[in-house]
Amino acid sequence: QVVLQESGPGLVKPSESLSLVCNVSGGSISSSNYYWAWIRQPPGKGLEWIASIFYTGRSFHTPSLRSRVTISADTSKNLFSLEMRSVTAADTAVYYCARQKAIFGAKGLGPRGCFDPWGQGTLLTVSS
Amino acid sequence: QTALTQPASVSGSPGQSITISCSGTSADVGGHDYVSWYQQYPGKAPKLLIYDVDKRPSGVSNRFSGSKSGNTASLTISGIQTEDEADYYCSSYASNSVLKIFGAGTKVTVL
Repeated sequence: QVVLQESGPGLVKPSESLSLVCNVSGGSISSSNYYWAWIRQPPGKGLEWIASIFYTGRSFHTPSLRSRVTISADTSKNLFSLEMRSVTAADTAVYYCARQKAIFGAKGLGPRGCFDPWGQGTLLTVSS
Repeated sequence: QTALTQPASVSGSPGQSITISCSGTSADVGGHDYVSWYQQYPGKAPKLLIYDVDKRPSGVSNRFSGSKSGNTASLTISGIQTEDEADYYCSSYASNSVLKIFGAGTKVTVL
């Protein structure tokens, strides 16, 4: 059974950078069947997909955050990470990592499928 | 399209059936069979209920079912129970730059 566990700084100041890590156990992130994703949820609001990465390093990002986020994977440690730069209060949210089903399409194997399972989430608060 | 359209709330009495709609466009819900549904309790992570429009993961109650017609997907909860009180989100692959979009969520209340 695959289990994902997020970790992060909890509190950061506006304009700073941060790194979130998702440790994966019970399965390998080097699987050719899955992408690995970050999704966030501001307090009291809905879900927003941020980015997904394949073990080869191929990655996809939501356009609104592309200039500020970098997703990476470390297959030797079986984890993947999200770096976010120039944060503002609008980035305050619970950040979830999740396994995402990879599906073949016109442009190859892409992050088209569902998210399952999810980590428990880590709250990130941006405040001075 | 930045978000799929869901009703803010749906309610029903125990034992009734309710349906939650998820409206999109031909670039997302209507154009692909990669619609999924998630259940979320307060303070908890979302849980996958339905994937690929109408498939149920192992362990999910058969009271939950999914379907799609045109640009609208639906989640039906049959014989609703008090434990079904939660927020429900739909999600779809989108063949534009966003790739994966969610609905704003529907709060289900059991009367």
